[in-house]
Amino acid sequence: ILNVEQSPQSLHVQEGDSTNFTCSFPSSNFYALHWYRWETAKSPEALFVMTLNGDEKKKGRISATLNTKEGYSYLYIKGSQPEDSATYLCALVSGYSTLTFGKGTMLLVSP
Amino acid sequence: DVKVTQSSRYLVKRTGEKVFLECVQDMDHENMFWYRQDPGLGLRLIYFSYDVKMKEKGDIPEGYSVSREKKERFSLILESASTNQTSMYLCASSNSKSSYEQYFGPGTRLTVT
Repeated sequence: ILNVEQSPQSLHVQEGDSTNFTCSFPSSNFYALHWYRWETAKSPEALFVMTLNGDEKKKGRISATLNTKEGYSYLYIKGSQPEDSATYLCALVSGYSTLTFGKGTMLLVSP
Repeated sequence: DVKVTQSSRYLVKRTGEKVFLECVQDMDHENMFWYRQDPGLGLRLIYFSYDVKMKEKGDIPEGYSVSREKKERFSLILESASTNQTSMYLCASSNSKSSYEQYFGPGTRLTVT
């Protein structure tokens, strides 16, 4: 079983703060890395799919970077808003197209 | 728009009952997955299927079985439900065209009493 670690486990910030989370994984077992956002009472939804070392993706105020050689990815949120409150999941794609998920970072943004 | 549906949002069953959780996707995806989500443990893979009538065990298959008779439908079966199977169950599907991005259903919260 692959070990995908996410930190911090939870985070509470004020509206307007910028924040970032980390996902770390064994660098030798890599096909692709996914970031998902899971809001309460909704389904997890993909934010980014990253495959290349040095990959940088951006969607609005959210961006992510990937370093496959050292085995980590960062997710950044600039100017957090209450609607950003969710659990952010990192997952590694391995054999048979399966995903191994980290335990997630729970973000709460207070107005 | 991509859609994965699950048969129930909430389900309450008694210990020992046989339980069926149904999942249907309308995207013609070849891969389908069943996960359970428990506090502090994250999403854990129970079973998956990469083709009709094919199934593979995930990380925690004990106490579960699956059925995939049609490409769009993937069923999770609890042969004899136990209280430790009380959990949130999520179904997902994917294909190879988008680096296996998974599309999730809304989840079924199962309580076994």
